[in-house]
Amino acid sequence: KAGVTQTPRYLIKTRGQQVTLSCSPISGHRSVSWYQQTPGQGLQFLFEYFSETQRNKGNFPGRFSGRQFSNSRSEMNVSTLELGDSALYLCASSRPSGSNEQFFGPGTRLTVL
Amino acid sequence: GESVGLHLPTLSVQEGDNSIINCAYSNSASDYFIWYKQESGKGPQFIIDIRSNMDKRQGQRVTVLLNKTVKHLSLQIAATQPGDSAVYFCAENGSGGGADGLTFGKGTHLIIQP
Repeated sequence: KAGVTQTPRYLIKTRGQQVTLSCSPISGHRSVSWYQQTPGQGLQFLFEYFSETQRNKGNFPGRFSGRQFSNSRSEMNVSTLELGDSALYLCASSRPSGSNEQFFGPGTRLTVL
Repeated sequence: GESVGLHLPTLSVQEGDNSIINCAYSNSASDYFIWYKQESGKGPQFIIDIRSNMDKRQGQRVTVLLNKTVKHLSLQIAATQPGDSAVYFCAENGSGGGADGLTFGKGTHLIIQP
């Protein structure tokens, strides 16, 4: 069974630009969560999608948004990029309700110059 | 808000010894705890989990202990191997079920000395 895949793996953008990251969950998993990982703040929860609906949201500004498609694939978008948005963005998928175990992808390393 | 944290940023152990990584949490309502391992260049990998109605759970070479009285969680790795070198995170989900957003600790970097 293939794991969680994320594309692209690496990305370099400049301040003010926007970026879209993609995540394909494990087949059969309907919940997708996004996390931001930085050396200073560690792993922080961004949001979670289930059945194309945002079910939970962390404490991030509105510049961070996401969506989920009918095939459970998810995208997250960051608009008006800031230097502080440089981070590893991780996607995790989990089985339908009743399971807390999340399976993480390798992440997308975003660098904002 | 509530937070989950780790006591030490770095832990160095001799190969073959047992490792103990500690974690303190503050949300008394947390009912599910997980340990993740993250190797360089990879996403976190699930190691073991435990629910709040348990005190101990064992896996292959790993044991998680939960002390709800002092809100303390620990991960014990038996006979540490070079492949155990990684950053270990504890995480908690206090929402009672589903992937409602894990709260992670800062992580402990486990270094294996030959």
